[in-house]
Amino acid sequence: GDSVTQMEGPVTLSEEAFLTINCTYTATGYPSLFWYVQYPGEGLQLLLKATKADDKGSNKGFEATYRKETTSFHLEKGSVQVSDSAVYFCALRLSSGSARQLTFGSGTQLTVLP
Amino acid sequence: NAGVTQTPKFRVLKTGQSMTLLCAQDMNHEYMYWYRQDPGMGLRLIHYSVGEGTTAKGEVPDGYNVSRLKKQNFLLGLESAAPSQTSVYFCASSYSTTGHTQYFGPGTRLTVL
Repeated sequence: GDSVTQMEGPVTLSEEAFLTINCTYTATGYPSLFWYVQYPGEGLQLLLKATKADDKGSNKGFEATYRKETTSFHLEKGSVQVSDSAVYFCALRLSSGSARQLTFGSGTQLTVLP
Repeated sequence: NAGVTQTPKFRVLKTGQSMTLLCAQDMNHEYMYWYRQDPGMGLRLIHYSVGEGTTAKGEVPDGYNVSRLKKQNFLLGLESAAPSQTSVYFCASSYSTTGHTQYFGPGTRLTVL
């Protein structure tokens, strides 16, 4: 079945450090790929997405490129801030099917220290 | 525009008790979803609805029932709560067309003793 594998956490970085959170997927067909962020005590918010191979999603300084050849969608940010501390979820959604439901990875806890 | 709201925010139940979680959205979305979030497991889909009056099972439906009597509301019921249902529950909604984004509510933290 379809699945998403994320880099295990927790990840702790100093402010202004470079961030990479790895995400790989297994899916039939051609999925859309997403990164969601969950701040403490809140629901999930869409951070960025890519709907086809080689697309780059970007938002708030975060980027991820849809790599079909390596089935990956790694999240990167050049300089993290304390306010980026959150749990990050990689997810996929198939392009067919009636429900359009998301399949999530297990999440990666990021803590950024001042 | 409140987006997706959930009530209650917190609840403690005893084993065997019943309760209903309410999800409401004001974005006129066709699709609505209930997920549960457990440590180290991400979010798993419980049930979903593709329109008013319709529901379907997701990945982990056992022990839960749902209803979508109105387009804006999606109810999740636990008829006889079990400790294994201790979790954080998230509701989400989205448009029916391809390429839409799911919008999530703030969650309900449920503890079953």
